[in-house]
Order: sequence, then structure tokens, then C-alpha cells
Amino acid sequence: RKEVEQDPGPFNVPEGATVAFNCTYSNSASQSFFWYRQDCRKEPKLLMSVYSSGNEDGRFTAQLNRASQYISLLIRDSKLSDSATYLCVVNLGSGGFKTIFGAGTRLFVKA
Amino acid sequence: GAVVSQHPSRVICKSGTSVKIECRSLDFQATTMFWYRQFPKKSLMLMATSNEGSKATYEQGVEKDKFLINHASLTLSTLTVTSAHPEDSSFYICSANTQTGTDTQYFGPGTRLTVL
Repeated sequence: RKEVEQDPGPFNVPEGATVAFNCTYSNSASQSFFWYRQDCRKEPKLLMSVYSSGNEDGRFTAQLNRASQYISLLIRDSKLSDSATYLCVVNLGSGGFKTIFGAGTRLFVKA
Repeated sequence: GAVVSQHPSRVICKSGTSVKIECRSLDFQATTMFWYRQFPKKSLMLMATSNEGSKATYEQGVEKDKFLINHASLTLSTLTVTSAHPEDSSFYICSANTQTGTDTQYFGPGTRLTVL
């Protein structure tokens, strides 16, 4: 089983749609969680951190379920510019931590 | 803030040559930097953790004699791919934390290496 698993997609959605991505992780000792966005041939960029209480940033909502070892990202009112690969990232701990990246979920938003 | 640069952005070299990639934190000091490799449509794979003033810690399966890492200052880490072969062709990305112990990583723009 992969340490961090994501549905690779692609997700093809029309503008204005709501789309949700899921991610599961295998190590229960994981301590912090993030969603990154990566455009083609570019470096990953931090989209948002994921907290147990859930967090929202504009059209983006991230949630964490530690019991199920599950992370989600919800994008509302999709824009063409949201087209990218979304990476689920898990850290095993702070300080001398180890970061594990999911393989990413590809999103295409079409006009 | 939290800008990380990499140089070169793209390099093409012949088999057997060595290639050096630089990673710089431009507006902060990075005690620790990380080197990743990413193949097309695959996830980032951590190669090594680079600590300023000490030896790098390599992930299992990464040859330390082939991928030489030097972290000579708090703002610069270098990765040298020695005796490069076509299978080393990949996208190499570095990242850094802004503070020791924080989990957020900021990535450089990456270096695309093509070995002919």
C-alpha cells in the first residue's frame, strides 16, 4: 500500500462546478498535512494546510479525518485557472520530519 | 517572502559528464534544504535532506556518491549529478523551510535535466 494515495484522475469539470479530491495516508503517526498545487513543468506551490478542525480559504475547503486517515479538498465555483495537479502531502513529524507526496490528482476545468 | 531559486532551470548534457544544480534561499536562511526528483506524471520523490555544515542524509536507494550534496551556507545547497546517464534525466526540485521545525516547504522552480 502506498504511504499517500490519491485518485490520479483526470477530473474534467465545467467552469462553475464543485469538485472534491480525496487522499488517504497509511502512517497513523503523520502529524501535518497539506495540499499543494503543481502546474505542468512547474514546482509545487502550497495551496493550504489541513487542520483537524477543517479550514477554508475562499473557494477552497480542506478537511482532515484522523480516525479514517483521510484528507479532502473541495473546490467550489471552479475556474479555468484551477486546472492543475493537486498534491496531497503528509509530514510524519516536525523538526526531523519526513515528507511524503501523493502522486497527485489532475484537474481540467473547461469553459 | 520565502523565495527559493534554482539554477540552471534547464540543462542538457552528454552521458558521463557531471552537472551541478544550485538551490538558494533568497530572503531567508535555510538550515535544512531538501532535494527531490520527479519523473513525468509521477510524484516527487525525496532524494536527500541537506543540512548546513554537515553531511546530507540520503533516502534509501539514492546513491550518495552519484548525487553529491553540499550545503556550504545557510542560503545555498548544491546537488551534483556525477557521471550522468540518460536514466538520470528528470526534474530536480529543491525546497526549504523558513524556520527549523516548521513543516511548510517552499520549492524552487526546478531544474530539468536531460542527459543525451
